[in-house]
Amino acid sequence: EAQVTQNPRYLITVTGKKLTVTCSQNMNHEYMSWYRQDPGLGLRQIYYSMNVEVTDKGDVPEGYKVSRKEKRNFPLILESPSPNQTSLYFCASSVDLGGAYEQYFGPGTRLTVT
Amino acid sequence: AQSVTQLGSHVSVSEGALVLLRCNYSSSVPPYLFWYVQYPNQGLQLLLKYTTGATLVKGINGFEAEFKKSETSFHLTKPSAHMSDAAEYFCAVSGITGGGNKLTFGTGTQLKVEL
Repeated sequence: EAQVTQNPRYLITVTGKKLTVTCSQNMNHEYMSWYRQDPGLGLRQIYYSMNVEVTDKGDVPEGYKVSRKEKRNFPLILESPSPNQTSLYFCASSVDLGGAYEQYFGPGTRLTVT
Repeated sequence: AQSVTQLGSHVSVSEGALVLLRCNYSSSVPPYLFWYVQYPNQGLQLLLKYTTGATLVKGINGFEAEFKKSETSFHLTKPSAHMSDAAEYFCAVSGITGGGNKLTFGTGTQLKVEL
């Protein structure tokens, strides 16, 4: 089954404790993205990756890091989490529709930073 | 730059009534437009998309949307609402820009369906 998986699904942590949210896709997609969803703000892109070893900032990259060492994996790293990073996070992978990119989303990771 | 405006953060309809969720976009390049649905505690599921061709697009669960370039709109409709349609709906736009795989989302519309 084609899917995007994220782990963990729920995470409660404390300020400053480094964490990683994993994302993996089995569709051989080149493009992957991370979004955060906050009430009243919709989804905003954090980082994206066009291919292995190619990443770039989205709209809200501050406080986050990513890496793309393998095509299927795109982990999101919070080196020193803060309470304003409490949010619902989605990973997505994309297929090129000839200029448009249809994105497939993972189930989400709900992060709480206290 | 791209942006999406969804009018009405909350919409309430009666079961069997017409559903109309509004979306207006701005884009400096030819837009590709999407509607996603999010059920409680779930991820986003693609309802329908407009890339090129026919401006009336049909999606899953009886939804459809019409791309109107002159009005920069992509409103989502369904002739008859069902209780199972209660969810949050997001309109999104992408285009051929530097961040090619970026979707710009609206702030979402929560649809409530009442008996």
